[in-house]
Amino acid sequence: ILNVEQSPQSLHVQEGDSTNFTCSFPSSNFYALHWYRWETAKSPEALFVMTLNGDEKKKGRISATLNTKEGYSYLYIKGSQPEDSATYLCAFDTDDKIIFGKGTRLHILP
Amino acid sequence: DVKVTQSSRYLVKRTGEKVFLECVQDMDHENMFWYRQDPGLGLRLIYFSYDVKMKEKGDIPEGYSVSREKKERFSLILESASTNQTSMYLCASSRIRLNTEAFFGQGTRLTVV
Repeated sequence: ILNVEQSPQSLHVQEGDSTNFTCSFPSSNFYALHWYRWETAKSPEALFVMTLNGDEKKKGRISATLNTKEGYSYLYIKGSQPEDSATYLCAFDTDDKIIFGKGTRLHILP
Repeated sequence: DVKVTQSSRYLVKRTGEKVFLECVQDMDHENMFWYRQDPGLGLRLIYFSYDVKMKEKGDIPEGYSVSREKKERFSLILESASTNQTSMYLCASSRIRLNTEAFFGQGTRLTVV
């Protein structure tokens, strides 16, 4: 079983603060690394799909980096807002299947 | 707008029943997946399919089977439902490998009593 680890499991952040969390994945059989945001009562939605070592992607206040050699990715949120409260999932893509981590549950405190 | 539709949001079944969870996608995606989500365990892959009539086991296939007779439809079958299969089930689809994301259905919360 391929292991995808996310840390921390849960995070409380004051509104306006910046934060980041980690996804670790196997460094072999790598095809792509996905990040998803999963809000309560909704379906997970893709944020980024990254494939190249050193890749950096940005969408508004959210950005992600990728290190395929050491098997980790960081997701950064700048200036957290209440609407950022969600579970953030990373997923390791081996070209035929997509394996998810357990997610980081982010709570933004007013 | 990409759409992945699961047939039911909520389902209650009795132990021993045969249960069908249906998933339909309208984007002509080759890949389809079934996951279950349990507290503290994240999304775990049950089965996936990369073509019609093709299926591959994921990490937790025991007690489940799948069917993909048409490209747009991927069914998850619980042959004899048990209480430990009470869970949230999520279907997803994606295009054949071109670095694209997966699109998810709204989920089916199944309770087996």
